Amino acid sequence: ETGVTQTPRHLVMGMTNKKSLKCEQHLGHNAMYWYKQSAKKPLELMFVYSLEERVENNSVPSRFSPECPNSSHLFLHLHTLQPEDSALYLCASSQYWTGDNEKLFFGSGTQLSVL
Amino acid sequence: DAKTTQPPSMDCAEGRAANLPCNHSTISGNEYVYWYRQIHSQGPQYIIHGLKNNETNEMASLIITEDRKSSTLILPHATLRDTAVYYCIVRVVHQFYFGTGTSLTVIP
Repeated sequence: ETGVTQTPRHLVMGMTNKKSLKCEQHLGHNAMYWYKQSAKKPLELMFVYSLEERVENNSVPSRFSPECPNSSHLFLHLHTLQPEDSALYLCASSQYWTGDNEKLFFGSGTQLSVL
Repeated sequence: DAKTTQPPSMDCAEGRAANLPCNHSTISGNEYVYWYRQIHSQGPQYIIHGLKNNETNEMASLIITEDRKSSTLILPHATLRDTAVYYCIVRVVHQFYFGTGTSLTVIP
């Protein structure tokens, strides 16, 4: 148990569906992250929120829309996805985004399949 | 872009020390080296990190060369539960750059 909970664990959706991934952290952290992990590829940073403000958006297509309503919750809204978006989506948190000794704490991920 | 190079796979006998190497030849003076591991179907788990000095905690030891261009993660007594993918990461300007990691298999 890392203190970061992601739901759902598995999601299958069609290309015309709209769905949302949810992440909640119970660590009192101020920064939250979305990463994408495709098969045989390194983790890719998608978005970073620090104190509920988006501070990083790594050229992610607009069909992925993040939301951070407070420092404990992070959502990833999905719409009109493509099959190549099938991947493990990981949420992480850290005490701060800019500290020198930061550690990332990851959730277990949502395994997404787009049909 | 990954900032590190690791062997794709390694085996280790149960009870022996596992030594996982990593090259990070372009590392800058203020960039930390982190190690994480990922067991199948779970998120990556923090192991250890360091800047210049060797570090040890309850999970592992981290040995960083004097020129900081490479490091070694040491699991002193590997168990079957240590079978996982191990990532060596350099943190550059707040970002953690993950490579493809080393798949460690601990053999009974």
